[in-house]
Parts: sequence; structure tokens; C-alpha cells
Amino acid sequence: EAGVAQSPRYKIIEKRQSVAFWCNPISGHATLYWYQQILGQGPKLLIQFQNNGVVDDSQLPKDRFSAERLKGVDSTLKIQPAKLEDSAVYLCASSLDLGTGWREDYGYTFGSGTRLTVV
Amino acid sequence: KQEVTQIPAALSVPEGENLVLNCSFTDSAIYNLQWFRQDPGKGLTSLLLIQSSQREQTSGRLNASLDKSSGRSTLYIAASQPGDSATYLCAVRPGAGSYQLTFGKGTKLSVIP
Repeated sequence: EAGVAQSPRYKIIEKRQSVAFWCNPISGHATLYWYQQILGQGPKLLIQFQNNGVVDDSQLPKDRFSAERLKGVDSTLKIQPAKLEDSAVYLCASSLDLGTGWREDYGYTFGSGTRLTVV
Repeated sequence: KQEVTQIPAALSVPEGENLVLNCSFTDSAIYNLQWFRQDPGKGLTSLLLIQSSQREQTSGRLNASLDKSSGRSTLYIAASQPGDSATYLCAVRPGAGSYQLTFGKGTKLSVIP
């Protein structure tokens, strides 16, 4: 099966500019996650969608970050305006169904990520 | 607040050696723990998942153990190969109703041919 697709792979912007990332999850996966991974650290969950509804966005800096998942498939994550500390890899992941729980054979499938550099 | 620590931060071993990666967590009330592998420039690949009621899981040359009461997990890699070189991350899930994972910072493993 095709994996989780993300674009672009790399992005360099100046601070105060805006940027958007795109994610296409595995077909049929109802749950979609955006994680931020700063260099040298583990990923941190930004937002979690179940179909097109938000399940958890408690760690999303809502003053500058926004995300949407229209029609319960693709998702976009936007940063406006960007700060230097937003430099990180943004990972998108999907899982089959929130209700099935976390099983080894389902679990998360991660995309390759978008590496953002803010200068 | 759950905190996950991985020791060592980096490890270099000769090919063929058996090795152990450590993961500790501060809140023992977890639902499960998962080990991931991350290659440079790539996303995360799930390796092993251990439910809170389990003590260990095995997949090929990998064996992960969980001691929930002491807040520790280990990932054992047997007969290491250069292809095992990557960063290994452990992550805990707090409860059945929560899907927010808490990750450690990872252990960067280098297997020298």
C-alpha cells in the first residue's frame, strides 16, 4: 500500500513569512496526526484529527499555527507568521481507526516529513 | 507530566555485537510503549509495541522488554549489522482514551563494519 505522502520535503523561509505543509494519509485511515520534531528531540504531537474533526490540539500554538483536514482525507498545516524556533521537521502520521486502539499491526504510519528552516 | 528518557544518547558498536538500548518513563500509568526507528531524513518506522500487561515482545533480532512498575523498557538488538544504524525512539501512550504519545529524544546507534 502507498505510504503517508508529505510535501514539500524541504522549505526555507524567512521569519515572519508564512508556510504550509501538505499531508495525504494512507487510504482508509481515519485518524491523522501532525508532529513537530526539533533537532535532537523526540516528536511532539501538535494536532490529531479523527476524520475531519479535531480530537486533540492542546499543544498547537494556535496564535500562529493552524491545521485543517477537509473531507477527512488530506490535511494542511500552516504557520503564519513563522518564528526561528519553528525550525523543525514536521511529521504527518495516520492510523486506521481511533476506536481500534493501538495495535502493532495497525499503529501509526509516518510520512518522511517536511524539514522547515526559518532564517 | 510524563517524561521519557533514553540512555545513551549515542552508541557506537562493532558489527556482530549484541546491544541494549534503555528507555525510562516517570509515570508508570501507561497503556503501552512502542519502539520506533528513524533513519536520517526519514519518518518513523514502528519496530515493537508492548501493551502494559505484557513483559516483552520479539521480532527477529529485536526484543523489547517492559517493567511498568519501575518505569523502564529495554530494546535488545542481537548480532548487530551496519543496516541497524539509525536513531531509536521509544514512546509511551498514557491511557486507552488518549492517543498522544510522549517520545524520548532517542538513541543514535552506529554499527561499524
